[in-house]
Amino acid sequence: DSGVTQTPKHLITATGQRVTLRCSPRSGDLSVYWYQQSLDQGLQFLIQYYNGEERAKGNILERFSAQQFPDLHSELNLSSLELGDSALYFCASKPTTNTGELFFGEGSRLTVL
Amino acid sequence: GENVEQHPSTLSVQEGDSAVIKCTYSDSASNYFPWYKQELGKGPQLIIDIRSNVGEKKDQRIAVTLNKTAKHFSLHITETQPEDSAVYFCAAPTYGSGNTGKLIFGQGTTLQVKP
Repeated sequence: DSGVTQTPKHLITATGQRVTLRCSPRSGDLSVYWYQQSLDQGLQFLIQYYNGEERAKGNILERFSAQQFPDLHSELNLSSLELGDSALYFCASKPTTNTGELFFGEGSRLTVL
Repeated sequence: GENVEQHPSTLSVQEGDSAVIKCTYSDSASNYFPWYKQELGKGPQLIIDIRSNVGEKKDQRIAVTLNKTAKHFSLHITETQPEDSAVYFCAAPTYGSGNTGKLIFGQGTTLQVKP
């Protein structure tokens, strides 16, 4: 158990809909990262937050947005969903000590029908 | 641009043999090179990492080597066991203007260890 909690574990929805994925980082970790893992693809970096502020952005679609709240949990919002958005979405947190290690949750599997 | 390339995409070895996975990176400012293992249905987990001030690091059956001049690093697993079967990812941070460093992952290598 990495200590990072993601909900929901599975989500099935239709094209055009909007979903919210939630992540609770490990206790004390201020950094949260979001990654997308599509079938047969690696981990694509989406966005990073540190203590509530956006720190780095990857190739995140304009239809996607995220935020980190004062209690440090984070949400990834996906809107106007398309079939190609079906993927595993991982959240990871990083401790403030500069070890560099990311602790990943077990992911939220999104299926868009 | 920021890029981490990983080879091979699949690797099948007999139990007891060694496995080697290689990665190259593009950002010369990268200074930290982790390897993650992802088992089926789980999130990736760090198995070993190396910083740019050393050329090699070992932890029991796994080792990582780094060649900063050539911008490549490799994962070596010796005496492979069936439980080593998983997807392995290399990663490297990339730094742009005003960027604190985002960790970019390779495409992954599916390792199968045959009993």
